Amino acid sequence: AQSVSQHNHHVILSEAASLELGCNYSYGGTVNLFWYVQYPGQHLQLLLKYFSGDPLVKGIKGFEAEFIKSKFSFNLRKPSVQWSDTAEYFCAVNALFSGGYNKLIFGAGTRLAVHP
Amino acid sequence: SAVISQKPSRDICQRGTSLTIQCQVDSQVTMMFWYRQQPGQSLTLIATANQGSEATYESGFVIDKFPISRPNLTFSTLTVSNMSPEDSSIYLCSVLGINTGELFFGEGSRLTVL
Repeated sequence: AQSVSQHNHHVILSEAASLELGCNYSYGGTVNLFWYVQYPGQHLQLLLKYFSGDPLVKGIKGFEAEFIKSKFSFNLRKPSVQWSDTAEYFCAVNALFSGGYNKLIFGAGTRLAVHP
Repeated sequence: SAVISQKPSRDICQRGTSLTIQCQVDSQVTMMFWYRQQPGQSLTLIATANQGSEATYESGFVIDKFPISRPNLTFSTLTVSNMSPEDSSIYLCSVLGINTGELFFGEGSRLTVL
């Protein structure tokens, strides 16, 4: 069965620090990969996604993620975080089977707190 | 993008009662899903709501506890039956963007069972 692992449950950074959140998945076939963000009191929003092509994808608000197929990883990065990046971040994987869409599986989430 | 409205946005319920959550989408979508987000945890897929047929439930979720309806391509309901405090959670409706392949989420229904 598919699974998604996020290694960091809580991350605390100061503003301007660099961010990298780890995400690994278990599935050997074709996958679509996503990072979602949930700001305090708000609903989930898509940060970025990877379907195919360039493994380095850029999303909103200066975030990027790199798909490394050999490592089954899709880590999220941002060179310089801001206080407004305080949120919970979820990695999600959709494994593609013949016949159509499969369900989206979420990681446990990483709570990021950025201090001014 | 799809705009998803859920009602109620929050409710406090008594043990043993049932609550139905409604999900309305502003456009026709093929795939609709119901997720649960328990306090401090990630999202867990409850079921896929199938239009005109029975929902497809994930392991650990059953129709008697979480009956789902989807009468058309823009509307679905999830009922949480015979509630217990363990059912206290945020229940989220989501839809698959036809052209984008991403999931869009409603704002969720926060349920507290006393």
